[in-house]
Amino acid sequence: AQKVTQAQTEISVVEKEDVTLDCVYETRDTTYYLFWYKQPPSGELVFLIRRNSFDEQNEISGRYSWNFQKSTSSFNFTITASQVVDSAVYFCALSNYQLIWGAGTKLIIKP
Amino acid sequence: DTEVTQTPKHLVMGMTNKKSLKCEQHMGHRAMYWYKQKAKKPPELMFVYSYEKLSINESVPSRFSPECPNSSLLNLHLHALQPEDSALYLCASSQSSRDNGYEQYFGPGTRLTVT
Repeated sequence: AQKVTQAQTEISVVEKEDVTLDCVYETRDTTYYLFWYKQPPSGELVFLIRRNSFDEQNEISGRYSWNFQKSTSSFNFTITASQVVDSAVYFCALSNYQLIWGAGTKLIIKP
Repeated sequence: DTEVTQTPKHLVMGMTNKKSLKCEQHMGHRAMYWYKQKAKKPPELMFVYSYEKLSINESVPSRFSPECPNSSLLNLHLHALQPEDSALYLCASSQSSRDNGYEQYFGPGTRLTVT
């Protein structure tokens, strides 16, 4: 069975704090892809990152960073120095020709 | 230009109406998708078009009828909907659905209310 678990339903932090969103996945495939999407209140899903199962290098893009660990089947997302504009629902997803979505984590950044 | 457009942004329709949702992409993608998203839930896949042919229909009721007139356009025709069909309808596109791992780019969605 393939599954994505985002155990944190909602996280609330004060602006400028660092915050990590957890994503744990299950798959028996050896080749797979993982994604993070952001959905602000406007509703549009914004693609953030794709990672394939053979590339365990961590990725940094500005204030965003991703930690992929196959040993623990996790693909966590950290926002450094959070800003109010980061407030959104964040989805982690696993690709098996279709996207298998986690339940999402609602992130609230308070000024 | 990674943009998918959707019209209308909002739609209110009665249960006897017929309406259509439209989606357009100009990224040269060959796969297009319709999703339905209820509040506080992840998107649910409805249909996948690959090279303008319907490749996946996730057991969607026949009151939803997709159409892909060309590689850039995707429509969703709505007829005799129920109040429980009220949701955000998202269109997405990707380079291909035949090969695994391509990211999908989403439009802003149509917020549908069925009265």
